[in-house]
Amino acid sequence: DVKVTQSSRYLVKRTGEKVFLECVQDMDHENMFWYRQDPGLGLRLIYFSYDVKMKEKGDIPEGYSVSREKKERFSLILESASTNQTSMYLCASSLGASRSYEQYFGPGTRLTVT
Amino acid sequence: KQEVTQIPAALSVPEGENLVLNCSFTDSAIYNLQWFRQDPGKGLTSLLLIQSSQREQTSGRLNASLDKSSGRSTLYIAASQPGDSATYLCAVRGLGKLIFGQGTELSVKP
Repeated sequence: DVKVTQSSRYLVKRTGEKVFLECVQDMDHENMFWYRQDPGLGLRLIYFSYDVKMKEKGDIPEGYSVSREKKERFSLILESASTNQTSMYLCASSLGASRSYEQYFGPGTRLTVT
Repeated sequence: KQEVTQIPAALSVPEGENLVLNCSFTDSAIYNLQWFRQDPGKGLTSLLLIQSSQREQTSGRLNASLDKSSGRSTLYIAASQPGDSATYLCAVRGLGKLIFGQGTELSVKP
């Protein structure tokens, strides 16, 4: 079974702090994704990566950056956290470049910025 | 621009009932459609993936159908149980990325 893990289930940070959210997958998947989920807005793609050291902007990249130094790990970075970044963050992965592949999600990180 | 709609937003049924969740999309140029389940405060669990060339997929009590030409998919749940209570999301994969619907919140009453 594919396993996608996220470093924290709940996180509370202060405004202006630098925040790191970590995601690890154990199935040698090439593609990895970061989404945020908000009531009434659904899931929105922040960034994705289709290979090590490669990244592409999603729909809402502003205020975020990402890092993929190893194939199994994809990090989301909030350079200076703001209250409007309070959200549920979900990481996902999929195998290969084909658009036919299934996406597998992690358990999510509930981030609160005060 | 692809838009995905799920109706109804919420559904409450008594235990044992068979039910259908609906998903519609505006652009039929899709690679696949995926149904997910999300429990409160948790991540998404993939239930079924239907490729664009397929008409349906089955897993246990779940059956998902896809009609690309009409831009519709349904998720059929047979003999519903209280443990099926969750939010069900559909997502379509097109030329760009995965586009999600807003979900249907299902409550199965004992």
